[in-house]
Amino acid sequence: QVQLQESGPGLVKPAETLSLICSVSGDSISTFSWTWIRQAPGKGLEWIGNISSSGSANYNPSLRGRVTISEDKSKNHLSLMLTSVTAADTAVYYCARVAQEEVAFQTHHYHCFDVWGPGTTVTVSS
Amino acid sequence: QSVLTQPASVSGSAGQSITISCTGSSSDISDFKYVSWYQQSPGKAPKLLIFDVTQRPSGISRRYSGSKSGTTASLTISGLQAEDEADYYCSSFTTSSTYVFGSGTKVTVL
Repeated sequence: QVQLQESGPGLVKPAETLSLICSVSGDSISTFSWTWIRQAPGKGLEWIGNISSSGSANYNPSLRGRVTISEDKSKNHLSLMLTSVTAADTAVYYCARVAQEEVAFQTHHYHCFDVWGPGTTVTVSS
Repeated sequence: QSVLTQPASVSGSAGQSITISCTGSSSDISDFKYVSWYQQSPGKAPKLLIFDVTQRPSGISRRYSGSKSGTTASLTISGLQAEDEADYYCSSFTTSSTYVFGSGTKVTVL
């Protein structure tokens, strides 16, 4: 059973770069597409971006230019980098798996997130 | 991209049915069948309840059902139970190949 675990510094200074890792166990990251989602304190969920099984990424337009999602297949983990952070980037950050299913020897990709990590809290403050 | 609109709170008595609406636009909900719903308990990660508007993942109770009409999707919880108290979020794929979430609805069981 696949499990996800986010990790990274809990405190980042304004204007610096936030870097997080999502460690995946129980399956190869090459098999699935993955996503990052965040939730500011007391607020709703915000989609940050996706990375497909082929390595191509797509981002929330509101964060484009500051965000990079990448994967390290040798370590079986995903990375999230967010530059020039401000207090508005303070949030719980989640990684999640994009659902898919093998049907008749073909992979069907669903537009939903079926496995989530527990999340990691990042505070932006000097 | 705009957040999908959900009521801030919905409540119901145990055993009753409640419905949570999720209103989007022609750029998301109405254009696709890719609406999903998530349940989030305090301090926990969200949990997938419904995908592709009406489909339930394995292990999700039949008490949860989804539907869509035009730019509005809905989640119905039947036979409301105390364990259903949580926050609920809708999500949709968009014409920009991105995803957007709803504003979230707090469900209270009276």
